[in-house]
Amino acid sequence: AQKITQTQPGMFVQEKEAVTLDCTYDTSDPSYGLFWYKQPSSGEMIFLIYQGSYDQQNATEGRYSLNFQKARKSANLVISASQLGDSAMYFCAMREDNTDKLIFGTGTRLQVFP
Amino acid sequence: DGGITQSPKYLFRKEGQNVTLSCEQNLNHDAMYWYRQDPGQGLRLIYYSQIVNDFQKGDIAEGYSVSREKKESFPLTVTSAQKNPTAFYLCASSLTGSTEAFFGQGTRLTVV
Repeated sequence: AQKITQTQPGMFVQEKEAVTLDCTYDTSDPSYGLFWYKQPSSGEMIFLIYQGSYDQQNATEGRYSLNFQKARKSANLVISASQLGDSAMYFCAMREDNTDKLIFGTGTRLQVFP
Repeated sequence: DGGITQSPKYLFRKEGQNVTLSCEQNLNHDAMYWYRQDPGQGLRLIYYSQIVNDFQKGDIAEGYSVSREKKESFPLTVTSAQKNPTAFYLCASSLTGSTEAFFGQGTRLTVV
């Protein structure tokens, strides 16, 4: 069955340091997409990065990169040079391309301190 | 401007009443989704639809109903059968197989 797991309820990182947010997934569909979203306290969902199951290279978008390890079914988000504005909830999500079903993990609350 | 619109932003209802949350998109997206989010929690899928006149239950469909009569619209009805309806509801849409799903601003429903 389709499943997304985020095992870190909360993470702390000092400003300008890098941080890795963990995400593992499970699916029987060979074609799928993995997403990361940021949700600040305002509640809006901000898209960060996408990785397709057949993509050979890890996705990168500015300070965000996705460490995709297909055999281990993990899709960790790496944020480099953390900023105070990065403090928010971060959600990993997966969509099975066969069904378009898009599910989310329980999230990780990241707090960046000076 | 293209986007996805949820209305209203805040909604108050008395216990036992049905309430319908609106979700409209002008992005020509095929797939639309409804999620429920409780405080400090993740997003749980209620219903989703890939095409007009078709939809599938998500993980927590009990007490909710949807319709997809038009591609642009995917309203969610929270029925009186939903035991704990107070929550933040998010609607999303995407093109099939696309690299991003777009979200509305959400509706915060409070049942008193």
